[in-house]
Amino acid sequence: LAKTTQPISMDSYEGQEVNITCSHNNIATNDYITWYQQFPSQGPRFIIQGYKTKVTNEVASLFIPADRKSSTLSLPRVSLSDTAVYYCLVGPLNSGAGSYQLTFGKGTKLSVIP
Amino acid sequence: ETGVTQTPRHLVMGMTNKKSLKCEQHLGHNAMYWYKQSAKKPLELMFVYSLEERVENNSVPSRFSPECPNSSHLFLHLHTLQPEDSALYLCASSRPMATPYFGSGTRLTVV
Repeated sequence: LAKTTQPISMDSYEGQEVNITCSHNNIATNDYITWYQQFPSQGPRFIIQGYKTKVTNEVASLFIPADRKSSTLSLPRVSLSDTAVYYCLVGPLNSGAGSYQLTFGKGTKLSVIP
Repeated sequence: ETGVTQTPRHLVMGMTNKKSLKCEQHLGHNAMYWYKQSAKKPLELMFVYSLEERVENNSVPSRFSPECPNSSHLFLHLHTLQPEDSALYLCASSRPMATPYFGSGTRLTVV
């Protein structure tokens, strides 16, 4: 599975847009990029997933350049409740016997300041 | 709520105890996973079940014993644990070729 690199921590003020970039230089052709959010003592929560270009949902946007060697999670107008750890994961959806085995890194700890 | 329910939420057990963690999903998923998250360490994949068959066992000590009686239920049986096994144990499930949904976890403390 491709290795990912993302900042250990980021700070942002409420109401600002936050962009978290993840590097995945060894991404394979059949790999997808997935982002999760995790609050303390809770399980990770799926945010967004993409393969190329741009994906947007009600929570975030995901920007993926043409070479797919990096991706940027964009959170519009963050609030205090967005304080969490954000994980970037890369892997094929068809790995294993029908399962998707994710390898988590240390993630990016986002702190939103009032 | 993700539809993946884990019980208990908190568990304290002695090193000589035997306990079980339970995970349940009624999302129609056919793959289920156990992850371990220790303090200040990344989530570690422990076991994967696909169609009730174990397909992954990442060198987990035998004091952890998984059981998947059907596609909706997953157990993690614990016996003679060590204090360093204290962690948040997370269950997840997924459809074929889809990303997993996680439960809220069981916070385990071994004393």
